[in-house]
Amino acid sequence: AQSVAQPEDQVNVAEGNPLTVKCTYSVSGNPYLFWYVQYPNRGLQFLLKYITGDNLVKGSYGFEAEFNKSQTSFHLKKPSALVSDSALYFCAVRGKRMDSSYKLIFGSGTRLLVRP
Amino acid sequence: DTGVSQNPRHKITKRGQNVTFRCDPISEHNRLYWYRQTLGQGPEFLTYFQNEAQLEKSRLLSDRFSAERPKGSFSTLEIQRTEQGDSAMYLCASSLTTGGAYHEQYFGPGTRLTVT
Repeated sequence: AQSVAQPEDQVNVAEGNPLTVKCTYSVSGNPYLFWYVQYPNRGLQFLLKYITGDNLVKGSYGFEAEFNKSQTSFHLKKPSALVSDSALYFCAVRGKRMDSSYKLIFGSGTRLLVRP
Repeated sequence: DTGVSQNPRHKITKRGQNVTFRCDPISEHNRLYWYRQTLGQGPEFLTYFQNEAQLEKSRLLSDRFSAERPKGSFSTLEIQRTEQGDSAMYLCASSLTTGGAYHEQYFGPGTRLTVT
């Protein structure tokens, strides 16, 4: 079955420092991977996706993610964190290829706290 | 604003009452999804429409839940005889799928349901 794991419930980082939010996945076939961010009382906002091609994917708000097939990981990164990046981050994988709905399967989320 | 909209944003109801939520997707999107998110968890897939056809339902969607997308545009999600366990954020998402291309899902702000 397709699944994602976000091993950290919370990540704390100082403003201006680089940040990493971890995600590992388990899929059959080629993975379609996504990162979303959720601010309080709001829906999920799309950040970036990996479908194919370059392993380093660039997305919104200066975020990027590195796809690593051998480690089955898709970690979210940003070179310099901002206080406004504080939010809940979700990694997701698309359902299996035979599943025509293309539903997303989400991890449990990682809360990012950037301190001034 | 041409994003996904959901109404109401908040709903408080007593156990046993029926509730209905509405989702208006991005206008040209042919796929519409409903997810449920409980506190501290990632969203979980409930059901999906391609145009007006409901093509998949999760086993999470009990007989008390029904969803429609009558003209392939807006969708409604109804919960009959609500239970306290139905308390959650209900998220709607839409996407455009053309040919073999896969596009990300865009989420609405959600409807938070509280069953007392």
